[in-house]
Amino acid sequence: SQKIEQNSEALNIQEGKTATLTCNYTNYSPAYLQWYRQDPGRGPVFLLLIRENEKEKRKERLKVTFDTTLKQSLFHITASQPADSATYLCALDERGDYKLSFGAGTTVTVRA
Amino acid sequence: DARVTQTPRHKVTEMGQEVTMRCQPILGHNTVFWYRQTMMQGLELLAYFRNRAPLDDSGMPKDRFSAEMPDATLATLKIQPSEPRDSAVYFCASASSYPEQYFGPGTRLTVT
Repeated sequence: SQKIEQNSEALNIQEGKTATLTCNYTNYSPAYLQWYRQDPGRGPVFLLLIRENEKEKRKERLKVTFDTTLKQSLFHITASQPADSATYLCALDERGDYKLSFGAGTTVTVRA
Repeated sequence: DARVTQTPRHKVTEMGQEVTMRCQPILGHNTVFWYRQTMMQGLELLAYFRNRAPLDDSGMPKDRFSAEMPDATLATLKIQPSEPRDSAVYFCASASSYPEQYFGPGTRLTVT
């Protein structure tokens, strides 16, 4: 079965810096890879999707890359702000049928 | 501001009791999901429906869990009998088109 690994430790960064999160998977390359944000006590919120034939996707201060050779996605938050502090989850969708497999998440704390 | 609602938000029950969790998806969303989140296992898809018909429930323990959509505005997840290992946060999510899923606030279940 697919194993998904995200940064094993929490990420603490200074405001204004770039946070880089990794999502590695072991088996098949999914058709789609998604990133979600989750705040304490709340449900996840969809951020971005990248397709297997796309190398990079951007949305405002967020950038996602997808390398099917390395079996890895990188998630960047540029010009980070304290409001970006949250847990970020990557999720793989093998066929684009909503059946998501989630990573454990990486907790990001941005210091003012 | 349309959102997914879940009731109850918190539930404490004794082992062996029946638990029913309810979800009202966003009006017009035809795909509804049930997830479970624990520290050990992370976020897992239990089951999902499209146009009220079950599409996939392979993530759900069949012997004690059941999920239904009595109508388009209500989804239910039932556990009978409950066990301590069922303690988790249960999320409902809904979607109208791929890929964005809208998650509810969750039901925190504690089984003693």
